[in-house]
Amino acid sequence: KAGVTQTPRYLIKTRGQQVTLSCSPISGHRSVSWYQQTPGQGLQFLFEYFSETQRNKGNFPGRFSGRQFSNSRSEMNVSTLELGDSALYLCASSYLPPYEQYFGPGTRLTVT
Amino acid sequence: KNEVEQSPQNLTAQEGEFITINCSYSVGISALHWLQQHPGGGIVSLFMLSSGKKKHGRLIATINIQEKHSSLHITASHPRDSAVYICAVNLGQGAQKLVFGQGTRLTINP
Repeated sequence: KAGVTQTPRYLIKTRGQQVTLSCSPISGHRSVSWYQQTPGQGLQFLFEYFSETQRNKGNFPGRFSGRQFSNSRSEMNVSTLELGDSALYLCASSYLPPYEQYFGPGTRLTVT
Repeated sequence: KNEVEQSPQNLTAQEGEFITINCSYSVGISALHWLQQHPGGGIVSLFMLSSGKKKHGRLIATINIQEKHSSLHITASHPRDSAVYICAVNLGQGAQKLVFGQGTRLTINP
C-alpha cells in the first residue's frame, strides 16, 4: 500500500505570495491532519479533516486554510506569506480518528 | 507551562544501554502517541496508547493515566536508534487534535 504523499517536497516563495500544498492519504484513510514544524515552536497542529469536514483547528491565523476532497485528498493554503511561515509542513492520515497516524515526508516551505 | 513536557531534552548513551524517555502532560487526553523523527524530517508513529503498556521489538511504551505520565524505553540501544523522539497527546474525542512535546534528541554512540 502506498504511503502518504505530499507535493511539492520543497518550495520557495516570496513574502506576500500565497501557496497551496497537497496531501494524498493512504488509500482508505478518511482523516487527514496538517502540522507545522519550526525550530522555535516545534510541531504544532494546524487542522484536521474527516469526510470533507474540518473537525478541529489549531491556533493559527485565518491566513491558514484547508480543504478535503471526496477522495480524501487534502490541500492547505497559506495566503499573504510571512517570513515566519517558513517551516516543514507535514500531513498525516488515519483510517478513522483517533487511530494511529501515518505521516507524509513533508513539504519544506521557505519564504524569502 | 507547556501542556506536554518531555525529559530529557538531549540524551547521549553508549550502544547497548537501556534508554528511558519521559513524557508528562497536564490535560485530559484520549490517547498518547510516541513518534520518531530522523534527520531529514520523516516521522514514524511508534505507539499509540490509551492505557497500560505496549511492546514492539526493543521498544516499550507505558502510560499511567492517573499520574498523566508516559515513558518510552529502548532496550539494547543501537546507533540506528539515534533520532528525535516526540511525545504527543490527543485532545480530541473521536477526532485528531495533537499537542506535541518538544522532543528528545537521542544519540547512541557505538
